[in-house]
Parts: sequence; structure tokens; C-alpha cells
Amino acid sequence: EAGVTQFPSHSVIEKGQTVTLRCDPISGHDNLYWYRRVMGKEIKFLLHFVKESKQDESGMPNNRFLAERTGGTYSTLKVQPAELEDSGVYFCASSPWGRPGEQYFGPGTRLTVT
Amino acid sequence: KQEVTQIPAALSVPEGENLVLNCSFTDSAIYNLQWFRQDPGKGLTSLLLIQSSQREQTSGRLNASLDKSSGRSTLYIAASQPGDSATYLCAARFSGNNRLAFGKGNQVVVIP
Repeated sequence: EAGVTQFPSHSVIEKGQTVTLRCDPISGHDNLYWYRRVMGKEIKFLLHFVKESKQDESGMPNNRFLAERTGGTYSTLKVQPAELEDSGVYFCASSPWGRPGEQYFGPGTRLTVT
Repeated sequence: KQEVTQIPAALSVPEGENLVLNCSFTDSAIYNLQWFRQDPGKGLTSLLLIQSSQREQTSGRLNASLDKSSGRSTLYIAASQPGDSATYLCAARFSGNNRLAFGKGNQVVVIP
């Protein structure tokens, strides 16, 4: 069984540009989460999808971040326009229906905004 | 506020010694607690998951305990090996939501 995959593994963009991160959860997992770790800080929750619906987006930092999960499969996280403080590692996780605490993490996307 | 704390940020131990990593959390209304391992440039690998009704979980050389009343969890790694060098993260799922709250992690180096 394939794990959670994320693309790209690294992205370097200039301030003001747009970047889209992609996450493919484990097949059949209804729950999908985005987390972020910025330098020197702990990993922090961004949002949670159940299938295609946003269950909890209280961790999204501002309206420059847009997450989608069309069709309830893969998810994208778009940052537009990117700012320097958006640099960090973005993790995606998924979990089966009814077991939200059992989250399986992807390798992360390292985003650098210059 | 639901927070998770891990101290110290980094530690080194000689090979063969037992490792003891501590995690504290601010809210006793915890649903479960998970210990992860992260290697440089890699994702998070779940090591042990302890439900709120459990006091400990064991897997091989790893043992994790949970004390809700004191707001603490401890990860024990017996007879440490150089391959145990990694960052260990503690994450709690508190009652009322599905998100994980992470500590900053313990960066461990096992010296051969």
C-alpha cells in the first residue's frame, strides 16, 4: 500500500509568486490534513478535510492560503501571493474514516520564499 | 490553550544507554498521544499511539507511557543504537477536535 505522497519535495519561489502544493493521501482515507512547520517552531495544524469538505480550517494563517480537495481524493494547497514568512515545511497527513487520530504523514514539501 | 512541550531540544547519549524523552501537555482532556520519529529530509514515522484509556504502549525496544493527571508522557528507548539518532516528536489529540498538537521535538544523537 502506497503511503501519503507530496509534490514537489522542494520549491523555491520569489516573494509575490504563487505556489501550489499537492498531496495524495493513502487510498481510501477520507480524512486529509495539512500541517506546517516554520523554522524554529513546532508543527502546526492548518486544516482538515473529510472527503471534499473542509471540516476545520481554523489553522489557516490568512486568505493567501487556499486549500481544495475536489472529488475527495488528492488535495492542493495554494499560496498566493507568497510572503517570506510562508517559508517552511508543509506536511500532509491522512487517516481512515472513524480513526482521525491515526494520522499517516507524507514526507513534506520544503517551501523557500526568497 | 492546548499545548505540547518537549524539553530538552537536543541531547546526546552513548550507544547502549537507555534514552528517556519527556513530553508534557497542558490539557488533561486528551484523546490520544502519539510519538513520531523524523529523519532529516523525511516525513514523520509513527512509533507508538497511546489512547487516553491506556497507560502505556510497547513496541520492541520502545515503551511509551501516558499520565493524564500530571499531563506527561515518556518515551523510553532501551539500549540505544546509532540508528536511533533522529528527531522525536510528541503529538497530542485533544478531545473536541481532530487535529494533532505537536511539541518542537527532541533531536537525539546516539554516539557510537
